[in-house]
Amino acid sequence: DAGVIQSPRHEVTEMGQEVTLRCKPISGHNSLFWYRQTMMRGLELLIYFNNNVPIDDSGMPEDRFSAKMPNASFSTLKIQPSEPRDSAVYFCASRGTSGANVLTFGAGSRLTVL
Amino acid sequence: RKEVEQDPGPFNVPEGATVAFNCTYSNSASQSFFWYRQDCRKEPKLLMSVYSSGNEDGRFTAQLNRASQYISLLIRDSKLSDSATYLCVVTSPGDKIIFGKGTRLHILP
Repeated sequence: DAGVIQSPRHEVTEMGQEVTLRCKPISGHNSLFWYRQTMMRGLELLIYFNNNVPIDDSGMPEDRFSAKMPNASFSTLKIQPSEPRDSAVYFCASRGTSGANVLTFGAGSRLTVL
Repeated sequence: RKEVEQDPGPFNVPEGATVAFNCTYSNSASQSFFWYRQDCRKEPKLLMSVYSSGNEDGRFTAQLNRASQYISLLIRDSKLSDSATYLCVVTSPGDKIIFGKGTRLHILP
């Protein structure tokens, strides 16, 4: 089992540029979560999907952020245009159907917006 | 009131000592509870689930107090390798999984 796979691991970009973060959940897991982590705010839930359908996006900071899950094996989080305050580590996590509510995280994407 | 609150620490504890930290949650309808561990510059990983009856896994004991809306983690005979940030996790109705900001633990040799 390859676990949750995120890319890129690191991204440095300039303010105003579009950023796309990618996630491949564990095969067979039906829920996917996007979190953002900063020193100041900790881990914040941005959005989560059940069976590829967005369930709660109330944590998405503003319209510059969007997330999609076109199929069970792929999700993207897009920031357009990016701003320096978006700098953070973005984690994707998936959860299986066992009912245990346990999340498995990817290694994260560290984003720096200059 | 924040949904999940933890003392950020750091807790500096000598090796071999016992350390405990709590976490409070605001939603009385919360359904499931966990402790995760996060090492520096790594992703969070499940440490243990927390059950109403309390549960133990080796040197680690977790307890839930629904009446007072807090969960606790006790680490006995602490090891240097226990140094990490411990994240309290609560699942609320509607299936939102909310993390506390974490408690930093440093085990001193």
